[in-house]
Amino acid sequence: QLQESGPGLVKPSETPSLTCIVSGESMTNGAYYWSWIRQHPGKGLEWIGYIYYSGDTGYNPSLESRVTISIETAKKQFSLRLSSVSAADTAVYYCARGRAAGGTYWYFDLWGRGALVTVSS
Amino acid sequence: EIVLTQSPDTLSLSPGERATLSCRASQSVNTYLAWYQQKPGQAPSLLIYDTSKRATGVPARFSGTGSGTDFTLTISSLEPEDFAVYYCQQRGDWPPTFGQGTRVEIK
Repeated sequence: QLQESGPGLVKPSETPSLTCIVSGESMTNGAYYWSWIRQHPGKGLEWIGYIYYSGDTGYNPSLESRVTISIETAKKQFSLRLSSVSAADTAVYYCARGRAAGGTYWYFDLWGRGALVTVSS
Repeated sequence: EIVLTQSPDTLSLSPGERATLSCRASQSVNTYLAWYQQKPGQAPSLLIYDTSKRATGVPARFSGTGSGTDFTLTISSLEPEDFAVYYCQQRGDWPPTFGQGTRVEIK
């Protein structure tokens, strides 16, 4: 299972962090890639970035300058930092497990329940 | 990035009817296309990956076809729990992208 936690309400220009706790799974299984995905209210899904257990990361070019994803395998968690937020970053943030399964990139077979981050002054 | 366009935006059907959802990619994604179901207040749930492979526990009434740029999700006979929003997602190119979704609603 995956479980997100986050600040809920943040002010514009702040740099919130969200954490995803992984239970019942090994984060060091080489088949898994750990991702963040967000969903603006009433809208579709946007992939933010991923981290591998080794620490390798990759980010959506649309957000790359503001995103940092980190991992602590011993604590079975990975985190997202998004800098200089604005109202446009108000969304539900999901953590998800990605599987490459013969491809280069991933489909997502396990999701957390999501954490709403609202950016407002 | 690859843009995925789903059609229709909304599909109004009755339980027992067949649902056909389309996903078109702006360039080829080979067969690296997945489908997700999302119910209100819930996270998306994987239904189909790599065009036609059902995820664990997904009923056989869900099936996927296609390749290259054109893909279809078919629900052979709608059950009450199938009324939801469906998203396609490609993993054939960087970055992974999602379609805008198709809502399947009760007629």
